[in-house]
Amino acid sequence: LAKTTQPISMDSYEGQEVNITCSHNNIATNDYITWYQQFPSQGPRFIIQGYKTKVTNEVASLFIPADRKSSTLSLPRVSLSDTAVYYCLVGDMGTGFQKLVFGTGTRLLVSP
Amino acid sequence: NAGVTQTPKFRVLKTGQSMTLLCAQDMNHEYMYWYRQDPGMGLRLIHYSVGEGTTAKGEVPDGYNVSRLKKQNFLLGLESAAPSQTSVYFCASSPGTGGYRPQHFGDGTRLSIL
Repeated sequence: LAKTTQPISMDSYEGQEVNITCSHNNIATNDYITWYQQFPSQGPRFIIQGYKTKVTNEVASLFIPADRKSSTLSLPRVSLSDTAVYYCLVGDMGTGFQKLVFGTGTRLLVSP
Repeated sequence: NAGVTQTPKFRVLKTGQSMTLLCAQDMNHEYMYWYRQDPGMGLRLIHYSVGEGTTAKGEVPDGYNVSRLKKQNFLLGLESAAPSQTSVYFCASSPGTGGYRPQHFGDGTRLSIL
């Protein structure tokens, strides 16, 4: 399972764009990149998932360069409610079973 | 639609006591998982199940047992609780085959062992 490295914490202000980069140098060919969000006293919640290039949904965008050794989660115009811990995970999703490995995540603090 | 429900939400045990944590999902998912999360750390997989009647060990299985007698339920048991098992326990579920499907998590059980 590929190990991921991401910043321990980040600070931002409301209305700004936040980019959280994750490094995964040993990503395998069959691995997908997935991001989860966790609020205090809640379980993680799926945000976005991708394999290569760019993926966008109503919440975030995920940028993956050609070599796939890193990825960047982009949160447009953050609000106070985006304060949470964000986890980057990589894993082989081909079989449907997901043996996910959660690191320590990035703690994002959004201030007024 | 309840999703993944964990029971109880909080519990305090004495060392050596036993207890069972219940996880129920109403999404007809094949796969279910139990994680623990310690302060300042990510989630670590304890046990998982790929279908009714099957279970397997995850990253940190020692001291825990699980059962999946019904597809919708996944039970986590502590036979003899130890202070090192003080943690927040999360259950998750995901669909089976069909490529990637994200895991759905419950809101956790906070367990303290004195």
